[in-house]
Amino acid sequence: QVHLQESGPGLVRPSETLFLTCTVSGASVSSDSYYWSWIRQSPGKGLEWIGCHHSSGSTFYHPSLKGRVAIFLDASKNQFSMRLTSVTAADSAVYSCAAILTAIAAGYASWGQGTLVGVSS
Amino acid sequence: QFVLTQPPSVSAAPGQKVSISCSGSSSNIGNNYVSWYQQLPGTAPKLLIYDNNRRPSGIPARFSGSKSGTSATLGITGLQTGDEADYFCGSWNSGENVLYVFGSGTRVTV
Repeated sequence: QVHLQESGPGLVRPSETLFLTCTVSGASVSSDSYYWSWIRQSPGKGLEWIGCHHSSGSTFYHPSLKGRVAIFLDASKNQFSMRLTSVTAADSAVYSCAAILTAIAAGYASWGQGTLVGVSS
Repeated sequence: QFVLTQPPSVSAAPGQKVSISCSGSSSNIGNNYVSWYQQLPGTAPKLLIYDNNRRPSGIPARFSGSKSGTSATLGITGLQTGDEADYFCGSWNSGENVLYVFGSGTRVTV
């Protein structure tokens, strides 16, 4: 069973860069079986898929964030991370890391508990 | 904002049944697989259904999924107070570099 745990700052200033890390256990981020993903949820709102990274190097990002977001793997630490630049108040949300099997019928079976990020000066 | 459309809320009495719809397009539901997620208050989403209608180990048979064309439905029978939660549909997506999309979410009240 894959276990995920997010870490990062709870508060970021407007225009600065948000950096979050997800520590993985129960699987290797080098495995080609998963897309390692980030998903966010604004207070009282629905789930927004941010993007994902596959060990092959393929990355996919939501068009609304493209240019500001990057997701990358650190196999030495078995972690994957997300960088979001030029944040605004609209980026305040609970950010969750998640893993989905590359089998196209799969769903997101593994989630981190989520970490609340606020954007404020 | 959300690619997949769900009703904001549904409600029913304990022991009754509810159905939650999820409407998409040929870029997602119409040509891909649907999953459903349950999010209890203050917790991470939990996978209820994948592959349109399959349940992961440990998910009761009270939860069922179906798909027809560009729409999908989650059914919950024998409602329990513990089923009060937000439910989201999700689907792989074939367009615009977006690999996966979620629905707007439905609040179930028992």
